[in-house]
Formats: sequence, structure tokens, C-alpha cells
Amino acid sequence: EAGVAQSPRYKIIEKRQSVAFWCNPISGHATLYWYQQILGQGPKLLIQFQNNGVVDDSQLPKDRFSAERLKGVDSTLKIQPAKLEDSAVYLCASSRLVSGDTQYFGPGTRLTVL
Amino acid sequence: RKEVEQDPGPFNVPEGATVAFNCTYSNSASQSFFWYRQDCRKEPKLLMSVYSSGNEDGRFTAQLNRASQYISLLIRDSKLSDSATYLCVVNTRLDYKLSFGAGTTVTVRA
Repeated sequence: EAGVAQSPRYKIIEKRQSVAFWCNPISGHATLYWYQQILGQGPKLLIQFQNNGVVDDSQLPKDRFSAERLKGVDSTLKIQPAKLEDSAVYLCASSRLVSGDTQYFGPGTRLTVL
Repeated sequence: RKEVEQDPGPFNVPEGATVAFNCTYSNSASQSFFWYRQDCRKEPKLLMSVYSSGNEDGRFTAQLNRASQYISLLIRDSKLSDSATYLCVVNTRLDYKLSFGAGTTVTVRA
């Protein structure tokens, strides 16, 4: 079974630029999560989708971050414009169901904002 | 107060030693508890769930203390390959959103 795929793996941009990340979850997984992990901290949930609907985006900085999962499969996370404090690893995870199911993480995208 | 707090360590132990560490959580209504393992510059992976009665998986033992609101992880007979950051994860809401601790780093030396 293929795991969660993410691209790109690394991205370096200057502040105020835009960037987009892509995630393809495990086939058949209904729930998709985007996390932000700043160095030395645990992952922080940004947004959770179930199929193509948003379950929770309470910690997503909506003035600059957006995410979509239009067909209920893959997803994109965008930052526009980026700030220095957005430097982090962006992890995508998926789970088969919403309730009580293991989350499987992708390898992450390491973003550096200069 | 953070939802999940962990001693960051690092815990430096020799091969074969036993190492244990705790994690505290703030929400008494928390329902599910997990330990994830994260290797350096890798993604987190589920190590084990934590059940009310405590549970073992090989050399790993997890305990839950609801009264004091902490969970623990014990690693027996440590191997070099156990070197990693161990993330304490708690489900604090009914719709299964996970809160992660910052992690406890364990380094096993030869």
C-alpha cells in the first residue's frame, strides 16, 4: 500500500512570496489533515478535511493560508504572502475514518522563508 | 497552559538500559492517548495506543493515569534504534482531533 505522498520535499522562498504544497493521501482514506511543525515543537493541526468538506480549520491563519480538497482525494495548502515565522515542516496525514483511527503521515515539506 | 506537556529531555541512556518518561495533559475530558515516534527529519509514526489498563508492545510499556492526568512510556532493554523523539498525543475533542506534545528526545548510546 502506497503511503501519503507530498511535494515538494523542500522549498525556499523569500518573505511575501507565495508557495503551495501538495498532498495525496492513502487510497481510500476519507480524512486528510495538514499540520505545521516548527522546529522543537510538536505538530499543530492547521486544517482537517473529511472527504471534500472542512471539519476544522480553527487554527488556520486564514488571512494568509488556504487549503482545498476539491475532489475529496488530494489536497493543496497555500501560503500567500509568506512570513518568516512560517518556516516549518508542513505535514500531511490521512486516516481511513474520522473517529478513533490511526493517522498516517507523509514525509513533509520543509519550508524556509528568508 | 499547553494541552499536552512533555519533558523535552534529552534522555541519554546506554544500550540495554531502561528509560521512562511521562506526559501530562490538561483536559480531563481527553479520551484517547497515543505515543508516536519521530526520527530526526522524518514524519511521526504511531508507536502504540495507550489503554486505560496499561499495555505492552514488546519492550515498550504504556500506562495511563486519569486521576493525575498523565501517561507514561517505558522502554526496556534499549536499542540504538530506539533513539528518536517520542511524541505524546491526546485526543481532546469528540471529533478526534489530536493534540501533540513537543516530544521527548531519547538517545541510546553504545
